[in-house]
Amino acid sequence: RKEVEQDPGPFNVPEGATVAFNCTYSNSASQSFFWYRQDCRKEPKLLMSVYSSGNEDGRFTAQLNRASQYISLLIRDSKLSDSATYLCVVNEPGGFKTIFGAGTRLFVKA
Amino acid sequence: SQTIHQWPATLVQPVGSPLSLECTVEGTSNPNLYWYRQAAGRGLQLLFYSVGIGQISSEVPQNLSASRPQDRQFILSSKKLLLSDSGFYLCAWSGNVGEFGYTFGSGTRLTVV
Repeated sequence: RKEVEQDPGPFNVPEGATVAFNCTYSNSASQSFFWYRQDCRKEPKLLMSVYSSGNEDGRFTAQLNRASQYISLLIRDSKLSDSATYLCVVNEPGGFKTIFGAGTRLFVKA
Repeated sequence: SQTIHQWPATLVQPVGSPLSLECTVEGTSNPNLYWYRQAAGRGLQLLFYSVGIGQISSEVPQNLSASRPQDRQFILSSKKLLLSDSGFYLCAWSGNVGEFGYTFGSGTRLTVV
């Protein structure tokens, strides 16, 4: 089993749609969780941290389920500019071993 | 504010040639520094991390090496490049234990020919 698994997609959605990505992780001792966004041929950029109680940032909502070891990202009212690859990231205890998922590609079409 | 600089942006090198990629961070002290590689269509692979000057931890055995000669400088090197070294190399920094995530440099796209 991979340490961090994501559905590679691609997800093709129309503008205005709601889309959700899931990510599972294998180490139950993992401590912190993030979603990053990576545009084509660019560096990943931090989108949001994922907190145990769930958190929201505008159109983006992140959830963490420690019991089932998965995190999710919900994007509401998708924009063309949301087209990118979304990386699930898990920090293991100690903070130095950070595992990146391979990413989920999203295409938002007019 | 903190910024991270990485250069060059692109590099084409022949097999067997040496490599030196440099990364510098501004606006913070004693950052944790990382080198990642991303092969085409793949996830990020941690190559090296450093918690301080002269302190390097290697995650993957290979023909690459890293050095941290100054607090905010991180260098990735190779004496002889292989075709399999091609990829997108990313430098990143974080705070103490990465609890606030990483900030990446703009990356170097290396093609070994």
